[in-house]
Amino acid sequence: DTGVSQNPRHKITKRGQNVTFRCDPISEHNRLYWYRQTLGQGPEFLTYFQNEAQLEKSRLLSDRFSAERPKGSFSTLEIQRTEQGDSAMYLCASSPETSGNEQYFGPGTRLTVT
Amino acid sequence: ILNVEQSPQSLHVQEGDSTNFTCSFPSSNFYALHWYRWETAKSPEALFVMTLNGDEKKKGRISATLNTKEGYSYLYIKGSQPEDSATYLCAFSTASKLTFGTGTRLQVTL
Repeated sequence: DTGVSQNPRHKITKRGQNVTFRCDPISEHNRLYWYRQTLGQGPEFLTYFQNEAQLEKSRLLSDRFSAERPKGSFSTLEIQRTEQGDSAMYLCASSPETSGNEQYFGPGTRLTVT
Repeated sequence: ILNVEQSPQSLHVQEGDSTNFTCSFPSSNFYALHWYRWETAKSPEALFVMTLNGDEKKKGRISATLNTKEGYSYLYIKGSQPEDSATYLCAFSTASKLTFGTGTRLQVTL
């Protein structure tokens, strides 16, 4: 399978714990995006990388959230001191630079904070 | 703040019915309009990327039109099948990110 993969698919954690999600984009896609989807809403943009550079961050990305893409390939999204409001589906997407911004999505990581 | 709106929120049709959904978006600074289909437990699947006013695209029984001057796009499904059951998302694109609507949830029953 050469699509975008995300791990884990599901994560249940207690409030206050830290969690980390991983995204493996389609190889050779140099752009990588994180989105968050909460119940009844469409996915909302969180952040975007071109290669290893984080070029844009949404104001939704509070200081408890950090994303990295150290070698320009896979990316991690960490949430520190999780809150119940962080419960959501976290989606990753990738695109080649010249695609006209056509983004290919992974299946998401569903986070439940109890 | 970009506002992308989709209607209806949900739709329940019978097999064989044809149906359509609406996506409205800001008409200024248009870059591209995307349609995705998202089935439960799967990845959102790209259906169409539309960039030009008057664009019409087709994929099997699904087609879409685009009006960038008035800021709307329609998605049509002809002869709905149970496997068409999914959430259909539209997204307004800038060069760097997608702004999604809340989606139209379609359920097709026998």
